[in-house]
Amino acid sequence: GNSVTQMEGPVTLSEEAFLTINCTYTATGYPSLFWYVQYPGEGLQLLLKATKADDKGSNKGFEATYRKETTSFHLEKGSVQVSDSAVYFCALSGDNYGQNFVFGPGTRLSVLP
Amino acid sequence: SQTIHQWPATLVQPVGSPLSLECTVEGTSNPNLYWYRQAAGRGLQLLFYSVGIGQISSEVPQNLSASRPQDRQFILSSKKLLLSDSGFYLCAWSVWGMDTEAFFGQGTRLTVV
Repeated sequence: GNSVTQMEGPVTLSEEAFLTINCTYTATGYPSLFWYVQYPGEGLQLLLKATKADDKGSNKGFEATYRKETTSFHLEKGSVQVSDSAVYFCALSGDNYGQNFVFGPGTRLSVLP
Repeated sequence: SQTIHQWPATLVQPVGSPLSLECTVEGTSNPNLYWYRQAAGRGLQLLFYSVGIGQISSEVPQNLSASRPQDRQFILSSKKLLLSDSGFYLCAWSVWGMDTEAFFGQGTRLTVV
């Protein structure tokens, strides 16, 4: 079945550091790929998405490129802020009727001032 | 615009008591609906999903059940709670389509004591 693997962290960075959170997936067909962010005590918010190979999703300075050849969707940001501290989830949606979403385990990011 | 409501936000229940969590979606028709559980410090586990009224698919055998009595209403229930049912419960919805994302409610923090 479909699955998502991502570095679990926690990841601790200083403000203005470069961020990479790795995500790889296994899926049949051509899934859409997503990054969600969860702030403490809240639900998940969509951060960015990509729906086909070589698409780049971007939002709030975060970027991720859909790499079909390496089955990856790594999240990057050039300069993190304290407000970026949260848990980040990589996810995919398969092409089955139920439109199931499969999530990675989440990566906790802490950014120190 | 579409919104999702999930309540209550916090719940403390004794072992053996019943449970009912409710989720409603506004601004869309015939959504796919999902219940996820997030245990402390862990990723998301899909519990149930529904593609229509009265249509429920269970992903994990457990002490919980779900119902969809109306198009935009999704209820998570238990007849007798266990300590292991504690966690953060998230309702989500999506529309049918290959490149659409899931939209999440704010979650319910359930503590079984």
